[in-house]
Order: sequence, then C-alpha cells, then structure tokens
Amino acid sequence: NAGVMQNPRHLVRRRGQEARLRCSPMKGHSHVYWYRQLPEEGLKFMVYLQKENIIDESGMPKERFSAEFPKEGPSILRIQQVVRGDSAAYFCASSAQGTANTGELFFGEGSRLTVL
Amino acid sequence: SQQGEEDPQALSIQEGENATMNCSYKTSINNLQWYRQNSGRGLVHLILIRSNEREKHSGRLRVTLDTSKKSSSLLITASRAADTASYFCAIQGGSEKLVFGKGMKLTVNP
Repeated sequence: NAGVMQNPRHLVRRRGQEARLRCSPMKGHSHVYWYRQLPEEGLKFMVYLQKENIIDESGMPKERFSAEFPKEGPSILRIQQVVRGDSAAYFCASSAQGTANTGELFFGEGSRLTVL
Repeated sequence: SQQGEEDPQALSIQEGENATMNCSYKTSINNLQWYRQNSGRGLVHLILIRSNEREKHSGRLRVTLDTSKKSSSLLITASRAADTASYFCAIQGGSEKLVFGKGMKLTVNP
C-alpha cells in the first residue's frame, strides 16, 4: 500500500511563474491537508479538503493560492505569480477520516519550491 | 493561539540517555499528537493522546498529558543515534485541522 505521494519533489520557478504541486493520498483516504514549512520552522496549516470540497482554507493566502481535490486524480496546490517568499517545503497529508475522529495524519515527503 | 510550543527548542544527549520534550498549548483540545521529522523528509506520526487520557506508551515512547496545565511531555527512553530528528507536537482542537508547534531538534550522540 503506497504512502502519500507528492510530486514534484523539487521545483524551481522564476518570479511570476506558476507552480503546481500534486498530492495523491494513501489508498482509501478521502481527506487531504496541505501544510507549508519554512526552513527551521514548524508546519503552517494551509487548507483541508475532502473529495471535491474545500472544508477549511483558513490558512491559505487570499491571493495567488488555490487548492482542489477532484473526484478523480490527485489534489493540486496551485500558486500563481510566485514570489521569493513562496519558497518553502509544501507537505501534503491524508487521513481516512477527519482528524477529529482518527487523529493520525500520513505525510508525503514534501515538494520543495525554490523561487529565483 | 492554538499552536503548541515545544520546549526546549534543542536538546543534545548521549546514546542511552533519556530525552524529555515538553509541549504547552493555550486552547482546549480533542487530542494531542507527536510527530518526528528526519532532515529533508516528511513527518511521521509517533503517538496520539486524547484529552481524557493521562498517559500512553508505545515502545520506548511515553507521553503524558495534563489538561489542567495545558501541557504534554514526550519521553524517549534509552535513546539511539537514529532518534536524532526534529520532534513536533500537534494539537487538534475544535476544528478538523492539526496545528503544529515549531518543533524541537534532538541530537543523540553516539
């Protein structure tokens, strides 16, 4: 049973370009969470999605960032017109049920975005 | 803030010694979890303790929770060099999301 798969693992973009990060949750998991981690920092919650629905996007910047989790295919975190401050590691995690019920999150290895 | 805060921020010990990390928080919680992150890798879940529990064990790990003091501790006994990593506490309060602390770096010297 494959774990949470994230790609690309490393992504380099120039300022103003778009970044698309993909996350395939563990098989059977329908809950996906995206977190951002700056160097030497903890994880900051960005967004929580279930299939086809955004449940909590309280951590998402109001502009340039969007996320989706379609009925088919991976979850996508999209960053438009990237700026240097977007450089970070972006982690996806999944769970079979919401964290209120089961608690444990399974994390991918992260996508490291570098903006030149 | 719902965020947990780990203390100390860094700890260096010798193999075989015990390592204790503390986590304090400010809000009411449903559960508190501890995760480990090796350099450049994703987070791995270690242990979960619910708000109505006071202590849990898993192998060399022991977690305690004191909801009156809003604090938790993670004890790693008989540490090994392979335990070198960053450790995070995460709290699950009223919403579905887990909120992570800034983490604590543990170095276990051979």
